[in-house]
Amino acid sequence: GAVVSQHPSWVICKSGTSVKIECRSLDFQATTMFWYRQFPKQSLMLMATSNEGSKATYEQGVEKDKFLINHASLTLSTLTVTSAHPEDSSFYICSAILAGVTDTQYFGPGTRLTVL
Amino acid sequence: QKEVEQDPGPLSVPEGAIVSLNCTYSNSAFQYFMWYRQYSRKGPELLMYTYSSGNKEDGRFTAQVDKSSKYISLFIRDSQPSDSATYLCAMIESSASKIIFGSGTRLSIRP
Repeated sequence: GAVVSQHPSWVICKSGTSVKIECRSLDFQATTMFWYRQFPKQSLMLMATSNEGSKATYEQGVEKDKFLINHASLTLSTLTVTSAHPEDSSFYICSAILAGVTDTQYFGPGTRLTVL
Repeated sequence: QKEVEQDPGPLSVPEGAIVSLNCTYSNSAFQYFMWYRQYSRKGPELLMYTYSSGNKEDGRFTAQVDKSSKYISLFIRDSQPSDSATYLCAMIESSASKIIFGSGTRLSIRP
C-alpha cells in the first residue's frame, strides 16, 4: 500500500511554456502533499507544502507565482511550472502523508523536466 | 553549517561486505530518523524508520541512532550489487512534518 504516482515521468518543453505535473496517492487519502526539487547529485529540496482545500505553503526562495500548486482533492496535487526556463530543468518529486500518520512520507517516482 | 551532514561518497565496496553509512546533525529537536534509498532517476524509497535513540534491524539493514552524539548510521550486511544506489538520511522534529534530508551517499557494490 501507500503508493504515490506522478505524471508525466519526463517532459521536455520549450522555454516560456508552462508544464503541469500531477501527483496522485493511489490507495490512500493524503491531506498533505509535498513538492521537492532535486538537482543532479544533490539532495531533495522542499519547495512547498500542499494541503487539501487550502493554499500551499512555499519555502523561502520559491516563487509561488512561478510554481503553482493546486491540491483539489485528497488524492491529487498538481504543480504547474509557469513560463519555464532552462534553469527550471530538474527532477521534481512529490510525497504524500498518510492521513493521521504525520511522520512518514511516501514519495512518487519523480518527474524529469528539461526546458530547452 | 547544514542541519544534516552526510558524506556524498562515492563509496565502492565488494559484494558481501558490510557497509556503514553515516550522518551527523546539529538540531537536537529531531526525534524521527529515516533512511531512504534512491535509485538513479527514481523517487526515494523509505528503508528504515527510527524514533529517538536506539537500534532497529530489518533483514540485512540495521539503523542506529545516537542522540547524545547527534549521529545516525545505517549498516548493510552481506551487500549485494542491487544495493547500489544513493542513500539519503532524513530526520524530522517531533512536532513538524518537514523532512530535512542529508545530501545522500552514492554507494556502489562491486560483483
